[in-house]
Amino acid sequence: NAGVTQTPKFQVLKTGQSMTLQCAQDMNHNSMYWYRQDPGMGLRLIYYSASEGTTDKGEVPNGYNVSRLNKREFSLRLESAAPSQTSVYFCASTRTGTNLYGYTFGSGTRLTVV
Amino acid sequence: KNEVEQSPQNLTAQEGEFITINCSYSVGISALHWLQQHPGGGIVSLFMLSSGKKKHGRLIATINIQEKHSSLHITASHPRDSAVYICAGLWETSGSRLTFGEGTQLTVNP
Repeated sequence: NAGVTQTPKFQVLKTGQSMTLQCAQDMNHNSMYWYRQDPGMGLRLIYYSASEGTTDKGEVPNGYNVSRLNKREFSLRLESAAPSQTSVYFCASTRTGTNLYGYTFGSGTRLTVV
Repeated sequence: KNEVEQSPQNLTAQEGEFITINCSYSVGISALHWLQQHPGGGIVSLFMLSSGKKKHGRLIATINIQEKHSSLHITASHPRDSAVYICAGLWETSGSRLTFGEGTQLTVNP
């Protein structure tokens, strides 16, 4: 099925461990995004990639790195996980060139850092 | 002041009622996106609009550019409409970046 595939769905890390969240889309979208969602707050942008080969920081980039591996894939890496990074992470993608294309979201990754 | 503000935060309705969720946004936002987040956590795009009105089934979204205000209406509400509804503003010059409201938790009772 066409869409955005995120893995893993759930993860528990110990403080200081590293991990990479994977995201892939098969809709030939140019732009891809990583958001985190915390209780009582709207989704906040961590990093985004407006096109293959480019990445930019969003509102809350500290503690994260990203890689736009190709047009399909955009990964998010936590080098040294901290309890403050406990959150639900969403990957999303959209076409660009006009502001009226909808976004497609992955199903989310629930991350707990203990 | 938040760049995108939604109201109410929580809304409880009886099946069949007409529901309205409101969203106000800042200068610099060129379009509004309405999303639905199911209890299981998945997020679905409902509408994206920069002017006028859009309708899909029992859902209607309107936007008033002068007042920087958008509304999402649900007619003949049903318990399956229970979800979190989120509005998000698209910035004019940002690579299609969105700023999200905090969401409205809607519960429709049978």
